[in-house]
Amino acid sequence: IVLTQSPATLSLSPGERATLSCRASQRVRSYLAWYQQKPGQAPRLLIYDASNRATGIPARFSGSGSGTDFTLTISSLEPEDFAVYYCQHRTNWPPGLTFGGGTKVEIK
Amino acid sequence: QVQLQESGPGLVKPSQTLSLTCTVSGGSITSGDYYWSWIRQPPGKGLEWIGYIYYSGSTYSNPSLKSRVTISVDTSKNLFSLKLTSVTAADTAVHYCARGLGGPIGAFDIWGQGTMVTVSS
Repeated sequence: IVLTQSPATLSLSPGERATLSCRASQRVRSYLAWYQQKPGQAPRLLIYDASNRATGIPARFSGSGSGTDFTLTISSLEPEDFAVYYCQHRTNWPPGLTFGGGTKVEIK
Repeated sequence: QVQLQESGPGLVKPSQTLSLTCTVSGGSITSGDYYWSWIRQPPGKGLEWIGYIYYSGSTYSNPSLKSRVTISVDTSKNLFSLKLTSVTAADTAVHYCARGLGGPIGAFDIWGQGTMVTVSS
């Protein structure tokens, strides 16, 4: 399964809404996760199972979608939200795992 | 809470074997429905899954690396390890270990801080 993220870069201002896309080459039901990665840091889990926020993740982050098309939305960008975001899926059979190529959210 | 810490050499010569260990603290590697994974990130690039293991010892690796990858677990020491043979400069990357949620969800909820491994003579 290939995950394609778009756009590659998103230039926005603080307070604006960010909409990130992840498209799977095959149906993956709702088994998709989203991560945030800041420079020099490990990725942090934001969303699992397409729409469930991980522990401690602010409510401005939301995920939606199923099948092949998924969206991560940041309702109002805070300064600390400018980072790279990855989607990820694991297949049970055959066993495998894939990450999307990432979307960089940068300050406009 | 559970924490992961990678350890191993930061410099490996071409054609040699990269060896890393991930020590799990704050919880047992055998408890709960989790899997334990290695993920790498070349400088300036995205994330690449290397492989994962269950505490039972079942392992699965990225097909693109499979012939060079060995992942093992030592439940008595609460750690799991990675060996990558015949390395080249293309294997230079930050290597992360991570805990994956079991079942179909599969998301990584806990990550190590990462360790940079450079392949160079």
